[in-house]
Amino acid sequence: KAGVTQTPRYLIKTRGQQVTLSCSPISGHRSVSWYQQTPGQGLQFLFEYFSETQRNKGNFPGRFSGRQFSNSRSEMNVSTLELGDSALYLCASSLTGQDYEQYFGPGTRLTVT
Amino acid sequence: GNSVTQMEGPVTLSEEAFLTINCTYTATGYPSLFWYVQYPGEGLQLLLKATKADDKGSNKGFEATYRKETTSFHLEKGSVQVSDSAVYFCALSERLGSARQLTFGSGTQLTVLP
Repeated sequence: KAGVTQTPRYLIKTRGQQVTLSCSPISGHRSVSWYQQTPGQGLQFLFEYFSETQRNKGNFPGRFSGRQFSNSRSEMNVSTLELGDSALYLCASSLTGQDYEQYFGPGTRLTVT
Repeated sequence: GNSVTQMEGPVTLSEEAFLTINCTYTATGYPSLFWYVQYPGEGLQLLLKATKADDKGSNKGFEATYRKETTSFHLEKGSVQVSDSAVYFCALSERLGSARQLTFGSGTQLTVLP
């Protein structure tokens, strides 16, 4: 069974631009969560989607948004990029979101210049 | 709110040495506890878990016991290998509404020398 895939793996953007990251969960998994990983703040929860609905959201500004499609694939969008948005963005999938085990993708490394 | 505190790294050990990485947590309810491992250039992999007090999680020679009285979940391995070099994250999970949310510690970089 294929694992969680994230595209692109690496991205370089300029301040003020916007970016869209994509995550394809493991087949059959309906819950997708997004996390931001930075050296200073560590791993922080962004949001979780299940059946195209956002169920939980972390403490991030409204510039961070996401959505989930009917095939459970998810995208996250960051508008008006700031230097501090440079990070590794990880997505994780699970069957229902109530499971103990979440499976992580390799991440998208975003660099904002 | 919930929080996880784990020992500062980096930790450098010789092969076959004993490993302990300390982890303590603060939670309002009864969380489940996890250790994740991240190898260079990869995402996180679940190493082991414990879902209730006194449970012991184990995998690949690693162990951790859920201690409610000391709010701890320390990771141990009796004999580390070079291939264990990675970043280790302690995490807790509590149900928020209809979903679970992971809260992570800051991570501990482990380097094992041959």
